[in-house]
Amino acid sequence: EIVVTQSPATLSVSPGERATLSCRASQSVNSNLAWYQQKPGQAPRLLIYGASTRATGIPDRFSGSGFGTEFTLTISSLQSEDFAVYYCQQYKNWPMYTFGQGTKLEIK
Amino acid sequence: EVQLVESGGIVVQPGGSLRLSCAASGFTFGDYIMHWIRQTPGKGLEWVSLINWDGETTYHADSVQGRFTISRDNSKNSLYLQMNSLRPEDTGLYYCAKPSSMVGGVFADWGQGTLVTVSS
Repeated sequence: EIVVTQSPATLSVSPGERATLSCRASQSVNSNLAWYQQKPGQAPRLLIYGASTRATGIPDRFSGSGFGTEFTLTISSLQSEDFAVYYCQQYKNWPMYTFGQGTKLEIK
Repeated sequence: EVQLVESGGIVVQPGGSLRLSCAASGFTFGDYIMHWIRQTPGKGLEWVSLINWDGETTYHADSVQGRFTISRDNSKNSLYLQMNSLRPEDTGLYYCAKPSSMVGGVFADWGQGTLVTVSS
């Protein structure tokens, strides 16, 4: 099983500032990495796939980078609606997909 | 617009059984592999099961292998999860999910989830 680890567990950032979230895989997943946003009472929402490709309708303040085992999700200028929990997911190891434990992005 | 509506979640005793359903609309259901994903207090988001287009091929996570069975009825645009020998650690929110048409391994559409509670 590919273990996916996210850091930090909680990130406190002020609106308008940049947020950087990290995701590490226990072995290389190439670019087979996705990011999701989850708000309370809602299902996860796909943000990024292929490590850096934004899903349909996702604002360009969201960007992803990385390859292999180290990945980053950057939100360039935080809006109020961006405060949520973010998950990364590897999909290289079909079909045993695995998710990280999440990073909670909270208002500072 | 894609819609996935899960149902069937209830409180059940350890060792009990349950069948979840997911009603799909807004896309050609029979063209897609479909998945169940759960969110539990212990493990967070966890992929559970997948089924291919015609229902002939299924896969399950090791944690549910031998206890859960995924199935589908394309004539009813419906996905199912039969859950047997339930354990307290199976407690959680169960989502059906449709993969992206661009990349099969990512989940573009999710239902709202149905809550399963395993407790005596």
